[in-house]
Amino acid sequence: EAGVVQSPRYKIIEKKQPVAFWCNPISGHNTLYWYLQNLGQGPELLIRYENEEAVDDSQLPKDRFSAERLKGVDSTLKIQPAELGDSAVYLCASSITGGETQYFGPGTRLLVL
Amino acid sequence: DAKTTQPTSMDCAEGRAANLPCNHSTISGNEYVYWYRQIHSQGPQYIIHGLKNNETNEMASLIITEDRKSSTLILPHATLRDTAVYYCIVIDYGQNFVFGPGTRLSVLP
Repeated sequence: EAGVVQSPRYKIIEKKQPVAFWCNPISGHNTLYWYLQNLGQGPELLIRYENEEAVDDSQLPKDRFSAERLKGVDSTLKIQPAELGDSAVYLCASSITGGETQYFGPGTRLLVL
Repeated sequence: DAKTTQPTSMDCAEGRAANLPCNHSTISGNEYVYWYRQIHSQGPQYIIHGLKNNETNEMASLIITEDRKSSTLILPHATLRDTAVYYCIVIDYGQNFVFGPGTRLSVLP
């Protein structure tokens, strides 16, 4: 069974440019999560989807971050415009339902110059 | 804030058992204990979880004290590939995971 797929794996952009990350969860998993992980710290939740509905986006900086999961399957996280402090690893995870065991993708490592 | 306390780092000799402790003194009756690990440059990997009883799978064993205020993850025969950051998470059904800084385990040859 394929795991959580994320792309790209690495991205280097200049500040003020837009960037987008894509995630395809494990087949049949209704819940999808986006996390941010800064160097030396644990992952922090940005947004959680139940099917296509964002049920918790309280930690998503909505002035520059946006996310969508239009058909309740794959998802895109966007930053526009990117700032130097956005350099981090962006992780996607999925679970069968909310509160169940989460399975993580490999992450996208973003470097903003 | 994370509901758990873990040592910042630990060392273990290759081939020996690695015992990673976690304190969760404020755990409630419905909250599970989850363990994940993160190998360098990879996403977190699920290891094991439990509610009250001890659990074992092909990766590890989870020992939860009778009062549930602490637990220990046991890797029975640590290898160099077990070097990683190990996260202990306490969570109720439907809640979001909150990761602390974890324990950095170094398995030494």
